[in-house]
Amino acid sequence: DGGITQSPKYLFRKEGQNVTLSCEQNLNHDAMYWYRQDPGQGLRLIYYSQIVNDFQKGDIAEGYSVSREKKESFPLTVTSAQKNPTAFYLCASKAPGQPNYGYTFGSGTRLTVV
Amino acid sequence: KNQVEQSPQSLIILEGKNCTLQCNYTVSPFSNLRWYKQDTGRGPVSLTIMTFSENTKSNGRYTATLDADTKQSSLHITASQLSDSASYICVVSAFPGYALNFGKGTSLLVTP
Repeated sequence: DGGITQSPKYLFRKEGQNVTLSCEQNLNHDAMYWYRQDPGQGLRLIYYSQIVNDFQKGDIAEGYSVSREKKESFPLTVTSAQKNPTAFYLCASKAPGQPNYGYTFGSGTRLTVV
Repeated sequence: KNQVEQSPQSLIILEGKNCTLQCNYTVSPFSNLRWYKQDTGRGPVSLTIMTFSENTKSNGRYTATLDADTKQSSLHITASQLSDSASYICVVSAFPGYALNFGKGTSLLVTP
């Protein structure tokens, strides 16, 4: 079945440590996105990529980095510069063309700072 | 500033009852509006997508309405089931970049 796979489901980070969240899709979608979800808040865009080897900052990119070396993969690194990284992270992808194509979301990664 | 406001923030209903969730937005120029269902600890799943010209769209027991003039949308759930317990998120896109504007969601709890 086609879809988006995020791993791991749960991740614990120590202070000052970088961690990388994986996002893989086999939907042949060009566009991929990373969102952060905090309790009581709407999803906020961290980074997005419309094509391979290109990505753009979203609304809250500080302390995060991404790469898009392959169409299928869009990993997110949470760096030590992100002061409050504990959150639920969602990856999404979208088919090209008309905007009415739905976004497909992964199952999320819950990151906790310990 | 593009905003999406949802109400109520949370809702508790008895199994079998109907309910309606509201979404008001100030996103402009409007492209489309989506309703998503998000189970706890899971990613959102699309329920409906509506463009400017669509007033109503159904997906099983879920019916979404859109009034583009008043910039309001509603999601009506008929004959609720325990599995409907989730957060329901309204998402509005604007031209030209189709960036998504997320509401904070309505948390629905269906009790036996």
